[in-house]
Amino acid sequence: DADVTQTPRNRITKTGKRIMLECSQTKGHDRMYWYRQDPGLGLRLIYYSFDVKDINKGEISDGYSVSRQAQAKFSLSLESAIPNQTALYFCATSDIGTGNQPQHFGDGTRLSIL
Amino acid sequence: DAKTTQPPSMDCAEGRAANLPCNHSTISGNEYVYWYRQIHSQGPQYIIHGLKNNETNEMASLIITEDRKSSTLILPHATLRDTAVYYCIVMSTNAGKSTFGDGTTLTVKP
Repeated sequence: DADVTQTPRNRITKTGKRIMLECSQTKGHDRMYWYRQDPGLGLRLIYYSFDVKDINKGEISDGYSVSRQAQAKFSLSLESAIPNQTALYFCATSDIGTGNQPQHFGDGTRLSIL
Repeated sequence: DAKTTQPPSMDCAEGRAANLPCNHSTISGNEYVYWYRQIHSQGPQYIIHGLKNNETNEMASLIITEDRKSSTLILPHATLRDTAVYYCIVMSTNAGKSTFGDGTTLTVKP
């Protein structure tokens, strides 16, 4: 979805480095999510936020932290990157609206940790 | 969150209907069924969702059994561009989050 922008698109870094992945959206959605995808597997939820003051851990939050700087911005940090965090990372948004609203995904960040 | 079970892979001939099954036997009364697809390593794309009634949009149809324990996504006339991994998930508005399984890899063949 072009309205959900992830930066960078690709990143190669070394073990022990601090990494920040950024997500911004122009959809005006309250809810934002960070997922991780390993090769051949489905998406696993890292963190999610239902509004600026709300942060929740997902199923695999260890080794990660997040910051919801504004309604439109949600960043994912790896404080000290390790090789098994090499993966494809996706940001998503959804509207709280009426009924159940689907998630809209960015194009992903491919992260390689050497 | 209720979990879902999907076959790991399916083939379909181009121009024919693709019927992708999903089992969600532990679904709760307030949980919706959603379908997404992922082409190559792009971000997942929303297809359709429903609660208990069958749904249809420009992309697909969703058939949910009366007991809501399973559903089928139907792509009426599959094309080569429909080759992708299809994910079936269940989610409630209150939870606002969901678990993605490993999906079904659909290969549409000429």
